[in-house]
Amino acid sequence: DSGVTQTPKHLITATGQRVTLRCSPRSGDLSVYWYQQSLDQGLQFLIQYYNGEERAKGNILERFSAQQFPDLHSELNLSSLELGDSALYFCASSSSDLGNEQFFGPGTRLTVL
Amino acid sequence: ILNVEQSPQSLHVQEGDSTNFTCSFPSSNFYALHWYRWETAKSPEALFVMTLNGDEKKKGRISATLNTKEGYSYLYIKGSQPEDSATYLCALFGNEKLTFGTGTRLTIIP
Repeated sequence: DSGVTQTPKHLITATGQRVTLRCSPRSGDLSVYWYQQSLDQGLQFLIQYYNGEERAKGNILERFSAQQFPDLHSELNLSSLELGDSALYFCASSSSDLGNEQFFGPGTRLTVL
Repeated sequence: ILNVEQSPQSLHVQEGDSTNFTCSFPSSNFYALHWYRWETAKSPEALFVMTLNGDEKKKGRISATLNTKEGYSYLYIKGSQPEDSATYLCALFGNEKLTFGTGTRLTIIP
């Protein structure tokens, strides 16, 4: 158990819908990272927050957004969902933004029908 | 843009044998190199973080080296065991984000 929690574990929804994925980092970790793993693709970095502020962006679509709250939990919002958004979404946390090891949550499996 | 390549893509090793695989990168313009182990139906788990040329890290039967001048890192597993079966991911940390390779899928044959 990494200490990072993600909810829900599975999510099935329809095209055009909007969903929110939630992540609680390890106690004391200030950085939260979001990743997407689609079929036959490696882990793709989406976005990073550090102590409530956005720090880095990867190949995140404009339909996707995220935030980190004062209690350091983070939410990833996915809107106008398309079939291609079906993927495993991981959240990871680390103690700093200086390249320390990241601790991954169990992931949320999103299926868009 | 950081480019990370891992080889081989997959590997089958007899239990008890030792093995190694490679992470290569054309540029040393990164802050740290990470290795993660990713078992099926689980989430990636950090093995090592290395920052300096010549770094060597060891955890039990697994060790890693980093050569930033020639652009590679090796991961070694000594005396492979069935529980070593997993995908091993290499990632570079730069510009405040991790860029992952596609991994080496290791299967240990009992």
